[in-house]
Amino acid sequence: AQRVTQPEKLLSVFKGAPVELKCNYSYSGSPELFWYVQYSRQRLQLLLRHISRESIKGFTADLNKGETSFHLKKPFAQEEDSAMYYCALREPYSSASKIIFGSGTRLSIRP
Amino acid sequence: DTEVTQTPKHLVMGMTNKKSLKCEQHMGHRAMYWYKQKAKKPPELMFVYSYEKLSINESVPSRFSPECPNSSLLNLHLHALQPEDSALYLCASSRLPTPRGGEETQYFGPGTRLLVL
Repeated sequence: AQRVTQPEKLLSVFKGAPVELKCNYSYSGSPELFWYVQYSRQRLQLLLRHISRESIKGFTADLNKGETSFHLKKPFAQEEDSAMYYCALREPYSSASKIIFGSGTRLSIRP
Repeated sequence: DTEVTQTPKHLVMGMTNKKSLKCEQHMGHRAMYWYKQKAKKPPELMFVYSYEKLSINESVPSRFSPECPNSSLLNLHLHALQPEDSALYLCASSRLPTPRGGEETQYFGPGTRLLVL
């Protein structure tokens, strides 16, 4: 069955330190993967998609099919990065998409 | 307009009440979704509508009844809920897949926080 695993419930790093939020997946086809972020008192929003290969707010994520991973990285953490981060996998259907979310990692940036 | 709106923001209801949650988007998206999110948990898919027709029901109890009256609106009718149904209910919308591909990012509303007493 399709599954997204985020092994860390909480990750706490100092401001300016590198950040890596881990995500592993299991999927039988070609996966489409995302990172969503939920800041305090704000709605869930897309951070980045593996297809886009872009950097958003300094974050990048590379799809590694050999390791079935899609880790989220940022070289220098900022206090405003504190939020809940969800790794997600898109399961396409003929008429709509289903998103399967990981359990989430709460990132806390210490000043 | 690039937002999904949801009303009400908060709802408290008894187990015998009937209430409805509403969701609206004006982005021209033809797929709309209901998710349930318990505290400190990820969103869990409940229903998916595509072209105003129910396409996915994730074995949700019948006390939750979705409705899509038109391409911009999505309702969730609630009846005889249980205290364990208390959660944040999220609505989302997206484009639908086409042969030419294209982005199907889901855009989420702020949610309705429901408390069942």
